[in-house]
Amino acid sequence: AQSVTQPDIHITVSEGASLELRCNYSYGATPYLFWYVQSPGQGLQLLLKYFSGDTLVQGIKGFEAEFKRSQSSFNLRKPSVHWSDAAEYFCAVVPYGGSQGNLIFGKGTKLSVKP
Amino acid sequence: DAGVIQSPRHEVTEMGQEVTLRCKPISGHDYLFWYRQTMMRGLELLIYFNNNVPIDDSGMPEDRFSAKMPNASFSTLKIQPSEPRDSAVYFCANSASDRGTGELFFGEGSRLTVL
Repeated sequence: AQSVTQPDIHITVSEGASLELRCNYSYGATPYLFWYVQSPGQGLQLLLKYFSGDTLVQGIKGFEAEFKRSQSSFNLRKPSVHWSDAAEYFCAVVPYGGSQGNLIFGKGTKLSVKP
Repeated sequence: DAGVIQSPRHEVTEMGQEVTLRCKPISGHDYLFWYRQTMMRGLELLIYFNNNVPIDDSGMPEDRFSAKMPNASFSTLKIQPSEPRDSAVYFCANSASDRGTGELFFGEGSRLTVL
């Protein structure tokens, strides 16, 4: 079945430490891939997206993500986490050839940042 | 641009009452989405419009839910009668077909509590 999976429900990292949030998808053809962030009490905001081309994509707020076809993964990374990065992060996909109406979100990973 | 504007931000009502949630989309964005977010089910797409026309309402949970988009500047999501299980945060989101598939702009949400 087609799906997007975020295996980690909750992650805690220390401020200044590196971060990697995992995302795996299960689709026949490579979908369009996205990471969104939701700060407490706010709506979701797009961090970055991958359609094709360079497998390492840069986003806002110092985040990057790497697409690995062999692993069906699109993990989000940040070299040094700031306290303001505490939020919930959602991986999302649009199946290849789909449109905005086909956007499917993962269950999210909540990030806590220790001082 | 003011972004997606939702009202009310918070609504507390009693079971059986009618609830109307409102959304003012970003000017020029031709897609409008209504999502529901709960702890148990995560983000669920309820319905989406393209150029004010409902395209897919398969996510609307039951006939108690209805959504309208009478013009490009306004949309409503109505629940009548409301039930406690409708308690959730409801998000309106927009995208523009020329901005790339899957890039959604979210409002801050309407938190609904049905007692």
